Amino acid sequence: DAGVIQSPRHEVTEMGQEVTLRCKPISGHNSLFWYRQTMMRGLELLIYFNNNVPIDDSGMPEDRFSAKMPNASFSTLKIQPSEPRDSAVYFCASKLGGSTEAFFGQGTRLTVV
Amino acid sequence: SQELEQSPQSLIVQEGKNLTINCTSSKTLYGLYWYKQKYGEGLIFLMMLQKGGEEKSHEKITAKLDEKKQQSSLHITASQPSHAGIYLCGAAGRGNQFYFGTGTSLTVIP
Repeated sequence: DAGVIQSPRHEVTEMGQEVTLRCKPISGHNSLFWYRQTMMRGLELLIYFNNNVPIDDSGMPEDRFSAKMPNASFSTLKIQPSEPRDSAVYFCASKLGGSTEAFFGQGTRLTVV
Repeated sequence: SQELEQSPQSLIVQEGKNLTINCTSSKTLYGLYWYKQKYGEGLIFLMMLQKGGEEKSHEKITAKLDEKKQQSSLHITASQPSHAGIYLCGAAGRGNQFYFGTGTSLTVIP
């Protein structure tokens, strides 16, 4: 398996633009997580899905952020409109249920100028 | 929500020295995970602890989960430059949530 795949790896966009981050979890994993990592706040859980259903989105910072998981093999995190303070590395992770570890993608480094 | 606090926040050691990183939870841990992150890269799973008193080792890295299951320590013996990075402890909460600690940045000076 290729692991968790995120795209793009790097994204530079202008303030006010819409940004869409994509994630393909490991096949067969039923939980998917979106995290944001910054120097100031560390690794923050934004939202997670179980069996494609959003379970807890309390970590999503604002209404500008939205996440979807239309099927078991694909998820998106969208920011609209983007702001400079959204600049961070966004990670997607997936895992099987129960006591198993989460596997992480390589992250998307987002820069909003 | 479950909170995980790590200490120290950063650590600089001479190559060959031993070091310990701690992870303290505000709640009972049902599963404690240690990850390592190279700067600018994704997280790599190191090991998982579930039972109180459990101890696991991988190469020169040993992790323990205390009896009361609210604290874990990660110990590196004879550190090497390849050990440098950010170490994060993670915990599985109810409903399959997966939270992380504040992270410990390790620098090993050759």
